[in-house]
Amino acid sequence: TQLLEQSPQFLSIQEGENLTVYCNSSSVFSSLQWYRQEPGEGPVLLVTVVTGGEVKKLKRLTFQFGDARKDSSLHITAAQPGDTGLYLCAGSYAGNNRKLIWGLGTSLAVNP
Amino acid sequence: NAGVTQTPKFQVLKTGQSMTLQCAQDMNHEYMSWYRQDPGMGLRLIHYSVGAGITDQGEVPNGYNVSRSTTEDFPLRLLSAAPSQTSVYFCASRFKASSYNEQFFGPGTRLTVL
Repeated sequence: TQLLEQSPQFLSIQEGENLTVYCNSSSVFSSLQWYRQEPGEGPVLLVTVVTGGEVKKLKRLTFQFGDARKDSSLHITAAQPGDTGLYLCAGSYAGNNRKLIWGLGTSLAVNP
Repeated sequence: NAGVTQTPKFQVLKTGQSMTLQCAQDMNHEYMSWYRQDPGMGLRLIHYSVGAGITDQGEVPNGYNVSRSTTEDFPLRLLSAAPSQTSVYFCASRFKASSYNEQFFGPGTRLTVL
């Protein structure tokens, strides 16, 4: 059962454009992580959010955790070719903080 | 620190063959895990370990064995390879079992079973 839905599944944009990708669930998460995976490599953690409404910034990337802790978004400003990759969200429940539930990811291509 | 290392990078097996995928980490992490990543299926947990001598099954454990004799090493054994096990396999570790901790992934092993 897929409990974390990511959208869009694929995104191809030009360098300099802005974009937002989403991670949604009907369940409440105690924390949510965003990873980026480049071709031929393993995922790398970008951020962890734990508080409803929390906003974190990492250079041109802005992450937000929904107030109800059921959804999250990742906004990239002025995308660069180096932002190309698969963006994955993963959440954990309060009742089982060992287990990560993974989304299928958003595949982003930023064209020069 | 080398982080999480995996060998081999690529492997081709015939149906019925067995092999071991190696994973090691030098960060003194308690928690280690194995995932497989398939198109349309995402990352699925195969087995995990919360410390040396302790292992447990994940979502898709059938056809795989693990052991954790040391903190550093967590090999994954394919007992009798099947085409359905064609996948990219990732080993991951984190400091403690709690998923609040950052998870570090290895570079992956790309396995093809003919």
